[in-house]
Amino acid sequence: QVQLVQSGAEVKKPGASVRVSCKASGYPFTSHGITWVRQAPGQGLEWVGWVYPYNGNRKYAQKLQGRVTMTTDTSTNTAYMELDSLISDDTAVYYCARDPGDNRVDHWGQGTLVTVSS
Amino acid sequence: QSMLTQPPSVSGAPGQRVTFSCTGSSSNIGANYDVHWYQQPPGTAPKLLIYNNINRPSGVPDRFSGSKSGTSASLAITGLQAEDEADYYCQSYDTGLDGWVFGGGTKLTVL
Repeated sequence: QVQLVQSGAEVKKPGASVRVSCKASGYPFTSHGITWVRQAPGQGLEWVGWVYPYNGNRKYAQKLQGRVTMTTDTSTNTAYMELDSLISDDTAVYYCARDPGDNRVDHWGQGTLVTVSS
Repeated sequence: QSMLTQPPSVSGAPGQRVTFSCTGSSSNIGANYDVHWYQQPPGTAPKLLIYNNINRPSGVPDRFSGSKSGTSASLAITGLQAEDEADYYCQSYDTGLDGWVFGGGTKLTVL
């Protein structure tokens, strides 16, 4: 079965960077994209961006352009999302999800809480 | 402020039918982009409920149905059950943002 297992919770200071990993299993890793979505405490879902492992294509949300980088490692079937210059508004649960390629996701990771606090 | 507008809350008694609205614009739903719906029970990750406006992934009961018309979409649940209590989000693509957009979410309370 499709599984996406994310790395553990992180606590970072403002201005620092964070990298969240997402290990996929149960399907050919290069056959689907990986999308990242975040959810601030008590708030709704916000699209962060996507990356396609088979060709490295990626697209990021305009408000995060310049601070977010998404990569994949096809040797370990793992996707990564790195967010730089963290601010308190980046505090959220970050989800990775499998992307079939038609502007949606069909399987989600368990989420990773990133807390930005001085 | 979300590009897709959803009412903050909906409630219904067990067995009843409830509907969720998702209102967009000419740059997303009205531009013929598909709408997808996700269910998020408290404290858990979201789950795909309806994709491409009307389709149910395997395992989703036929009590759940979706529709789309013009710049809006709707989700309906019939035979409401206590386990349906969750937040429901619509999602589409927006040409102005050149990215995905989510509605603000609707919280379903089963009375």
